[in-house]
Amino acid sequence: DQQVKQNSPSLSVQEGRISILNCDYTNSMFDYFLWYKKYPAEGPTFLISISSIKDKNEDGRFTVFLNKSAKHLSLHIVPSQPGDSAVYFCAASRTGNQFYFGTGTSLTVIP
Amino acid sequence: NAGVTQTPKFRILKIGQSMTLQCAQDMNHNYMYWYRQDPGMGLKLIYYSVGAGITDKGEVPNGYNVSRSTTEDFPLRLELAAPSQTSVYFCASSYGGAAAISGANVLTFGAGSRLTVL
Repeated sequence: DQQVKQNSPSLSVQEGRISILNCDYTNSMFDYFLWYKKYPAEGPTFLISISSIKDKNEDGRFTVFLNKSAKHLSLHIVPSQPGDSAVYFCAASRTGNQFYFGTGTSLTVIP
Repeated sequence: NAGVTQTPKFRILKIGQSMTLQCAQDMNHNYMYWYRQDPGMGLKLIYYSVGAGITDKGEVPNGYNVSRSTTEDFPLRLELAAPSQTSVYFCASSYGGAAAISGANVLTFGAGSRLTVL
């Protein structure tokens, strides 16, 4: 049973525009969420996190939004750059122990 | 700063063989994890450990064993390799659950170990 879902396997965006990656979860007990970026043949690298006490967290070009009532979070990248092309995973946990990952969204930023 | 180091990077096994994937971290993290990633799938948690001497099953533990004798090391053992275990394996570590309150509980991943069972 997939507790964290990323329903868009891929996304293409023009350089300079906004990229929006979406993530849904089913377990209302999840209280901590992470976004990771992964290049081929490398391990995932951390991008940004958000806890359930917030509905928004920003770090430079990256902003994560959390809608607890809809069990939905999204990652906004503005402006998108070619170097952002990678697979993005969202992850969720309860109490920060076990992390459950989505299946990933492959982002392509077109120059 | 090495972070999380996994060995080997690549390995081909025959059905029924056994092997150990090594993982070491130098960040003094309490928590360590093993994930596997199959093509087109997300990362599935195999086992995790909240400290030396303590391990627990994740989502897909069958066919694997782990041990945590030190804070730094968390090896993953495959006893009887099967084709279904062909995957990319990632080890990760973090400070642990309490750090989530401050937003500091971030998983740091190794570069991965690609295993093929033929």
